[in-house]
Amino acid sequence: AQSVTQLDSQVPVFEEAPVELRCNYSSSVSVYLFWYVQYPNQGLQLLLKYLSGSTLVESINGFEAEFNKSQTSFHLRKPSVHISDTAEYFCAVSGGGSYIPTFGRGTSLIVHP
Amino acid sequence: KAGVTQTPRYLIKTRGQQVTLSCSPISGHRSVSWYQQTPGQGLQFLFEYFSETQRNKGNFPGRFSGRQFSNSRSEMNVSTLELGDSALYLCASSLEGQGSDTQYFGPGTRLTVL
Repeated sequence: AQSVTQLDSQVPVFEEAPVELRCNYSSSVSVYLFWYVQYPNQGLQLLLKYLSGSTLVESINGFEAEFNKSQTSFHLRKPSVHISDTAEYFCAVSGGGSYIPTFGRGTSLIVHP
Repeated sequence: KAGVTQTPRYLIKTRGQQVTLSCSPISGHRSVSWYQQTPGQGLQFLFEYFSETQRNKGNFPGRFSGRQFSNSRSEMNVSTLELGDSALYLCASSLEGQGSDTQYFGPGTRLTVL
């Protein structure tokens, strides 16, 4: 069985400040890791994913996440956030025999001007 | 390519009624999954269909059912609606439903049960 824990349900931050959204997972097999973002009144969309290779993965809009196998973590970071980054962020894990990703409960990122 | 589409976008029903939601996946995608999203429970997996067969199922009562057609379009049905079924129902498609596949989500159907 696999599970995902997003340690913060809500993260408030001021514009242009750095942010880290935490994600820890448990799985007994090799994993694939994802971050999805959900803007209001929309479905989820992929932000970035780790499949293999380099442990640091980046998105086109400045987010990055690092796969840390020893700490079973996949934290999401951005050095300087914008108002438009306000959204719900979901960490997900899949792998082994599970075709279906397991999602965390989500972290609401609130960027204040 | 067109994205995942879901119809209707909004639905209001009363307790005891039944409802059918529709999902059209991205062209070429063979796997379709359904999720229920609520503020209290987050994103919960309902079921996944691949090549017209239910391949995976979440922990929901039998009132929740689904099917997939030969063109990969999918429907889900909820019978004998309860107040607690009020939620955003999300459909997601992927190429083969492999663990490494990206899930592409539709905008969802907002179901309100009165």
